[in-house]
Amino acid sequence: DIQMTQSPSTLSASVGDRVTITCRASQSISSWLAWYQQKPGKAPKLLIYKASSLESGVPSRFSGSGSGTEFTLTISSLQPDDFATYYCQQYNSYSLLLTFGGGTKVEIK
Amino acid sequence: EVQLVESGGGLVQPGRSLRLSCAASGFTFDDYAMHWVRQAPGKGLEWVSGISWNSGSIGYADSVKGRFTISRDNAKNSLYLQMNSLRAEDTALYYCAKDMMEGSSSWYYIDYWGQGTLVTVSS
Repeated sequence: DIQMTQSPSTLSASVGDRVTITCRASQSISSWLAWYQQKPGKAPKLLIYKASSLESGVPSRFSGSGSGTEFTLTISSLQPDDFATYYCQQYNSYSLLLTFGGGTKVEIK
Repeated sequence: EVQLVESGGGLVQPGRSLRLSCAASGFTFDDYAMHWVRQAPGKGLEWVSGISWNSGSIGYADSVKGRFTISRDNAKNSLYLQMNSLRAEDTALYYCAKDMMEGSSSWYYIDYWGQGTLVTVSS
């Protein structure tokens, strides 16, 4: 099965900072990757799909890039509402599995 | 407005069974694959199971394979998860979730989530 590894697991940043989160797949997944944001006590929210497509209604400060085995989520200018945990997720149509990364918590510095 | 409302969670002893339900509304239920995703207290997200729009494709995480069964009733706009032989490590908030892609026999990404139902496995 494909494993997804996120780094860092925790990130301390200030409002206005540029933030980058990395997700690595144990084998190539082409561009079949999504990013989610989760706040405490809330369900996750889809931010990015197919590696770089912005979900409708998501602010343009969020962007995704990458293909193959290495992917990044970038927040161009961190806002107070962005302090949350972020997860990557890959899908594999051959094995009918979805796999999430371990998560990256973005904290206030 | 898409709504997914889970029910059926609770406290259950190890080895016993529980059936979760999810009532869907606000979209054409039988056009989309559906998923169960769980989150243990203080932990990350774990995909549990998925089912295609016509139940023709079903998948399970290795951690639940052989113990859990996913099903759906398109006439009732409902998704189910039958959980047998429950273990302490199955304790989690269980989310019902809608796949993004319409009419596919596989699954891709999750664009809507319910608020979850808590399952606690303990003696």
